[in-house]
Amino acid sequence: NAGVTQTPKFQVLKTGQSMTLQCAQDMNHNSMYWYRQDPGMGLRLIYYSASEGTTDKGEVPNGYNVSRLNKREFSLRLESAAPSQTSVYFCASHSRGLSYGYTFGSGTRLTVV
Amino acid sequence: GENVEQHPSTLSVQEGDSAVIKCTYSDSASNYFPWYKQELGKRPQLIIDIRSNVGEKKDQRIAVTLNKTAKHFSLHITETQPEDSAVYFCAASNSGNTPLVFGKGTRLSVIA
Repeated sequence: NAGVTQTPKFQVLKTGQSMTLQCAQDMNHNSMYWYRQDPGMGLRLIYYSASEGTTDKGEVPNGYNVSRLNKREFSLRLESAAPSQTSVYFCASHSRGLSYGYTFGSGTRLTVV
Repeated sequence: GENVEQHPSTLSVQEGDSAVIKCTYSDSASNYFPWYKQELGKRPQLIIDIRSNVGEKKDQRIAVTLNKTAKHFSLHITETQPEDSAVYFCAASNSGNTPLVFGKGTRLSVIA
């Protein structure tokens, strides 16, 4: 039982390049989320998927797209990377029930030069 | 939308002392308030949570209190130890129907 798995762990991009961050969970959770973490800014929501087949914008969606490929997988795509997208990205999942607590992936440290 | 404010941004305590971190929220519909601990280079991990039908919850050395009227909640850590050093985040949501909104974090340093 791996929980939430993110790939890659580290990535360096040049401005204008594109990439996709992958996230998969094996806990049969309905909801999945992408957050970015910047120093002094906490965790800010980029996009989320409340259930398979649905996606919604969060607080900072500009420059990103997402795909909920199936119940397990939720990917985040940067079409044209900018230095302002240098950050640590966390995927998370949860299901309503006895606990609403999120399970986070280990994060992707992205640097755009 | 929800806005969560967290104070202080940094906190240093002597080992064995208590630490208190405070958060306020803006949306009266919020009723779920978790706290996460993030060690350096690691993922955030849930340490305790509280729902709005409960005023206080304890788990060994940590406790959370909630004041719905004032819209604030606090994390209390007693008998602090060096391994408590980390960044702590509060968050709020509406029963999991809406995504968690996080505070900006508190960096706690426990000095031996």
